[in-house]
Amino acid sequence: EAQVTQNPRYLITVTGKKLTVTCSQNMNHEYMSWYRQDPGLGLRQIYYSMNVEVTDKGDVPEGYKVSRKEKRNFPLILESPSPNQTSLYFCASAYGGASNQPQHFGDGTRLSIL
Amino acid sequence: SQQGEEDPQALSIQEGENATMNCSYKTSINNLQWYRQNSGRGLVHLILIRSNEREKHSGRLRVTLDTSKKSSSLLITASRAADTASYFCATTGGYQKVTFGTGTKLQVIP
Repeated sequence: EAQVTQNPRYLITVTGKKLTVTCSQNMNHEYMSWYRQDPGLGLRQIYYSMNVEVTDKGDVPEGYKVSRKEKRNFPLILESPSPNQTSLYFCASAYGGASNQPQHFGDGTRLSIL
Repeated sequence: SQQGEEDPQALSIQEGENATMNCSYKTSINNLQWYRQNSGRGLVHLILIRSNEREKHSGRLRVTLDTSKKSSSLLITASRAADTASYFCATTGGYQKVTFGTGTKLQVIP
């Protein structure tokens, strides 16, 4: 089954404790992206990647890191999480690029930073 | 922020009625897409309209795009209770950067 898998689905942690949210897709998509969703603000793009070793900032990259060492994986790293990063996070992938193709979304990761 | 806006923020209609939601954006685009989200789940793609198209249909969905006004509308005809969800527009400009609207929460009452 074609899917985008995020882990963990839920995480409660404390300020400053490094964490990684994994994202994996099995569709051989070139494009992958991370979004955060906050009430009243819709989805905002954090980082995206056009292919292996190619990443670019979205609208809200501060406090986040990503890497794209393999085509199928695109982990999101919070080196020193803070409470303002409490949010619902989504990973997505698309064939080619996001310009002309639909994105496929994971089920989301709900992060709470205390 | 280049985030788009959607209007209305919330919409409640009776089953069988039509639902119309609007999206405005700020920069030039390659295409505009509409997505649906059920209660905090992942988004599901509904329809894509290219910048050189004015109207597109898919089943009960009709999307229009007016690039001169930087706006789009999504019409859902003959709504069903299962259409209850949040709907988002998303635009892609240069460099594959994606901007989502703030969303319209649709409730269809049986």
